[in-house]
Amino acid sequence: NAGVTQTPKFRILKIGQSMTLQCTQDMNHNYMYWYRQDPGMGLKLIYYSVGAGITDKGEVPNGYNVSRSTTEDFPLRLELAAPSQTSVYFCASGRALSSYNSPLHFGNGTRLTVT
Amino acid sequence: DAKTTQPPSMDCAEGRAANLPCNHSTISGNEYVYWYRQIHSQGPQYIIHGLKNNETNEMASLIITEDRKSSTLILPHATLRDTAVYYCIVRARGGSNYKLTFGKGTLLTVNP
Repeated sequence: NAGVTQTPKFRILKIGQSMTLQCTQDMNHNYMYWYRQDPGMGLKLIYYSVGAGITDKGEVPNGYNVSRSTTEDFPLRLELAAPSQTSVYFCASGRALSSYNSPLHFGNGTRLTVT
Repeated sequence: DAKTTQPPSMDCAEGRAANLPCNHSTISGNEYVYWYRQIHSQGPQYIIHGLKNNETNEMASLIITEDRKSSTLILPHATLRDTAVYYCIVRARGGSNYKLTFGKGTLLTVNP
């Protein structure tokens, strides 16, 4: 059981380039999330999804887009990379909120540098 | 969600109990207390959660005060591998809140 898998682990982008951060989970979770974590800071929610075809903005959505065509995959798209998007990006998934025991499961992150 | 307050850092000797406090004075009746930790450069890891009763699992114990305004995470025999940032999060069960809000947490350093 792989859990939450993120690719790539590391990436360097030039300003203005685009890329997609991949996230897939094999736990059949409905809920998926993208967070970013800047050095020495806590996690900030970028986007989340409560099921296939449904996405919504978090605290810091500007400069990002997401899609959720399947339960398993939740890619994060950066269209015009900026230095302010240098960060570590974490994907997470969880079961339906109505479940009492519904902790989030996190991937190990993608470390992105924009220069 | 209710806000939480945690000390920025704590030290603990290896083999001793680590007691990490969290204040959540504005917590409401349907909100749970969750604890996660983040070991350097890894994704956050779920530890434990509770509503009002004390909870214990293979990783830790969670003690919630009777008025629910604060809680303590206890690692009974800390090891060097427990060095991490520990996040206390309050989250409502059900409703429209699908999100966990992470603050800066407490950096626990376990010393040999």
